[in-house]
Amino acid sequence: GQSLEQPSEVTAVEGAIVQINCTYQTSGFYGLSWYQQHDGGAPTFLSYNALDGLEETGRFSSFLSRSDSYGYLLLQELQMKDSASYFCAVRARGAAGNKLTFGGGTRVLVKP
Amino acid sequence: GAVVSQHPSWVICKSGTSVKIECRSLDFQATTMFWYRQFPKQSLMLMATSNEGSKATYEQGVEKDKFLINHASLTLSTLTVTSAHPEDSSFYICSIGTAQDHSNQPQHFGDGTRLSIL
Repeated sequence: GQSLEQPSEVTAVEGAIVQINCTYQTSGFYGLSWYQQHDGGAPTFLSYNALDGLEETGRFSSFLSRSDSYGYLLLQELQMKDSASYFCAVRARGAAGNKLTFGGGTRVLVKP
Repeated sequence: GAVVSQHPSWVICKSGTSVKIECRSLDFQATTMFWYRQFPKQSLMLMATSNEGSKATYEQGVEKDKFLINHASLTLSTLTVTSAHPEDSSFYICSIGTAQDHSNQPQHFGDGTRLSIL
C-alpha cells in the first residue's frame, strides 16, 4: 500500500515563506501532487511532479526527489487567503489504473 | 469553469434512508471517476474507482453493498449510500481523472456532498 507523512500544522505571518515536506512510501509510483483545500471546500490542484526537480507556478513551487521518496511544497509571499489545508498525494498504480493516495494534510494558518 | 459537477451539495436525512449522489463530467468523457470520503479535519480517503460500463473497484474496508456505485455513461457516476446511519455522516467528494499510466493530468474534484444522518 501507500503511506505519506506531512506535518499536521504550520503557522506563519503574511509575507513569509513556508515549506511543507512530504515523505512517502509506495509501489508503482508515478508522481507527487499537491492540493489545496479551504474549510468546507473541495480540493483544488496546485502542482504535479513526475520527475526530480523543482516546478514553479507563481508563488507556489513544488519539489520532488524520487530517490529520497521526498517532496515539498513551497509557499512564498504568504497571503491571508493561503490559510488552508495542503495535501500531498501520490499517484501510483492501482487495481483499476492509477489513483491518488493523500497524505494527512498540513493546516497552514497565516497571521497578519 | 467547472470540470466536475456534483449534486447535491448538502443532504440531511433520517437514519435508514438511502442517499444518491451524482457526479457529472462537464468537459470530457470520463471513463474513470473516483469517490472519496473525508471526515472532519482528516484526509481524503479513496473509497472506490468507478469505471464506465463495468463494476467499480472498491478499496479495502469499503462495503460494496453499502456504497453502490453506478457508472452507466461517460459523463455520470452515482454513489448511493444505502440505509445510511449517523456514522456515514461525512463529506463525499468525486473526482475525474485519467487512468492512463504516467499521465500528468490532475484530478478534478467536484464541490463535494456534505451528508448528515440524524
